[in-house]
Amino acid sequence: EVQLVQSGAEVKKPGESLKISCKGSGYSFTSYWIGWVRQMPGKGLEWMGIIYPGDSDTRYSPSFQGQVTISADKSISTAYLQWSSLKASDTAMYYCARHRVGATDYWGQGTLVTVSS
Amino acid sequence: DIVMTQTPLSLSVTPGQPASISCKSSQSLLHSDGKTYLYWYLQKPGQPPQLLIYEVSNRFSGVPDRFSGSGSGTDFTLKISRVEAEDVGVYYCMQSIQLPRFTFGPGTKVDIK
Repeated sequence: EVQLVQSGAEVKKPGESLKISCKGSGYSFTSYWIGWVRQMPGKGLEWMGIIYPGDSDTRYSPSFQGQVTISADKSISTAYLQWSSLKASDTAMYYCARHRVGATDYWGQGTLVTVSS
Repeated sequence: DIVMTQTPLSLSVTPGQPASISCKSSQSLLHSDGKTYLYWYLQKPGQPPQLLIYEVSNRFSGVPDRFSGSGSGTDFTLKISRVEAEDVGVYYCMQSIQLPRFTFGPGTKVDIK
């Protein structure tokens, strides 16, 4: 069974750093892209970027380039999304999702990030 | 980036009745490989999105056959032949023709009358 299990909810202050994770299981982690999607409170879905754990090829949507860093550790089948300095506007639910040519098929359960002073 | 639009933005449906959602893209989603990378997702309240349809018209594993997708180029449609109570939520179309510039439509909220 394909599963993507994300790390738990986080509450942070503006200016703090954060790294959230997404662990894949039930498939070959290095053979599929893993993407990250933001959903701000009460809003729609936005693609942030994507990584291919097999060779760490990483690409960012223009709106998120320079704002976050996506990485992966294939030895533990885990992808990461990190911020160096959080802002209140980063408050959102963040989902990871598996992507292959033709389908973004399996999604993690989401990680709620709250940034508040 | 490719802009995705959906109509209607909300829909109230009587159980057992059909429903239809339209999705339009600002550019053709037909890739040079001959495939069209248009998907439909349902996000139920408090849950992550779940894939319903991929490449315009292919139902994902476990998706009931009351869901169907059609279209080509820039115009696409999701149809539910007979809406059930469990179908409530927000439906999104998404394109993935330009890695990593994938974009979603604004969503169509479906509820039951």
